[in-house]
Order: sequence, then structure tokens, then C-alpha cells
Amino acid sequence: QQQVKQSPQSLIVQKGGISIINCAYENTAFDYFPWYQQFPGKGPALLIAIRPDVSEKKEGRFTISFNKSAKQFSLHIMDSQPGDSATYFCAASSYNTDKLIFGTGTRLQVFP
Amino acid sequence: DTEVTQTPKHLVMGMTNKKSLKCEQHMGHRAMYWYKQKAKKPPELMFVYSYEKLSINESVPSRFSPECPNSSLLNLHLHALQPEDSALYLCASSRGQRGNEKLFFGSGTQLSVL
Repeated sequence: QQQVKQSPQSLIVQKGGISIINCAYENTAFDYFPWYQQFPGKGPALLIAIRPDVSEKKEGRFTISFNKSAKQFSLHIMDSQPGDSATYFCAASSYNTDKLIFGTGTRLQVFP
Repeated sequence: DTEVTQTPKHLVMGMTNKKSLKCEQHMGHRAMYWYKQKAKKPPELMFVYSYEKLSINESVPSRFSPECPNSSLLNLHLHALQPEDSALYLCASSRGQRGNEKLFFGSGTQLSVL
């Protein structure tokens, strides 16, 4: 019940296209859903996060869509750029837990 | 300053060596973390310190020994490691230990155990 399932494992997108990464969770106590971006040789960095009181959050080209009833959330990257090539981890936690549960990761490659 | 600084960036050690990884942050964060990350895998939590006290040990083998000398520093002492311990070791910090706090990660130490 503590797992966060992430798909796809890898994604290849052409420059200018839309990248979509999906995550699903079981624990209904989760109330915080961040996405972390990790470049090779670097640690993960928070990209965008959402709480379940909203169904969508947008920051620039990055949008999180959240479906509470389906217990799913997804990251959409609009107008994908080669500089977006990285590994993306979804995650989930709750105010009352001490740790973040990470998804398995998606390696995104954006080709010019 | 929103950085978490880790040293060294790379480390090669033999199975009988003793070495230490260091982590520093000056954001006033009161929670600090050690994660282990294998290639193509998510970070795995090892230890959490909250207000300089160890609050979580995820059943990590005793050959890994964490230390938090003060609120800005975190060390990970390594002794008698195994080749399977080779990984990227990430330090992170957050304002508090609550699960919904933003984590700030360092760039990691790439450890190779021969």
C-alpha cells in the first residue's frame, strides 16, 4: 500500500512534443505528490508538486494532473526540449509520515 | 544559499578501508537525510536526522555509521564495505521532517567498492 507505480520506464519524444508520465498510488492517506527531476551526475531536484485539493497545477511548460478518485497523477511536459532530457521521479507522502515514497522513475529523452 | 554540498564527488575504496562522506547545508534546515541510489533506480532512504538526533534508520547494515555533529553537517562513516555497496550516496535536507517538506538534494558521492 506504500508503493507508487510509475510508467513508462523510458520515453522518447521529439522536440516540441508533449511528454506524459503517469503514476498511481494506493494509500488514500497520501496528500502530497511531488515530481523530482534528476540529471546525470546530479541529485534529484523538486520540479513541481500538487496537493489533492486541486485537480491541476501548472508551472511554465510543466503541468501536474491529479485524479483523486482514480488515485492517479501525471506529469505533462509541453513543448518538450532537449534540455528536459532527464530522469523523472514521482513521489507521494502525507503530512503525518516521515518519508517520501518514490516511484520507479522514467528516463525521458527529447531528440531535436 | 540553497545548496547542499557533498564531498567527495567520487570515492574508490577497498573492502578493508575506512572512509567518510560529508554533507553541509546552510539553509537552517533541521532535517537531514542519507539516501542510496543504484543506477536507474529511485533513491532509497537510509537515515534521517531531525534536530541533530537520529530519528530513522531504515535497517541499514552497521558498516554504515551516520553522524550529525551540528545542525549544518552530516557525515556518513564507511567501514568494511562490500562491492554491492557501490552506488551514488545522496545527502538531502528539508525544513522539517514531515513527509510533505521539499527535499533539497546534493549532487552525491559516487562510491565504488573494490
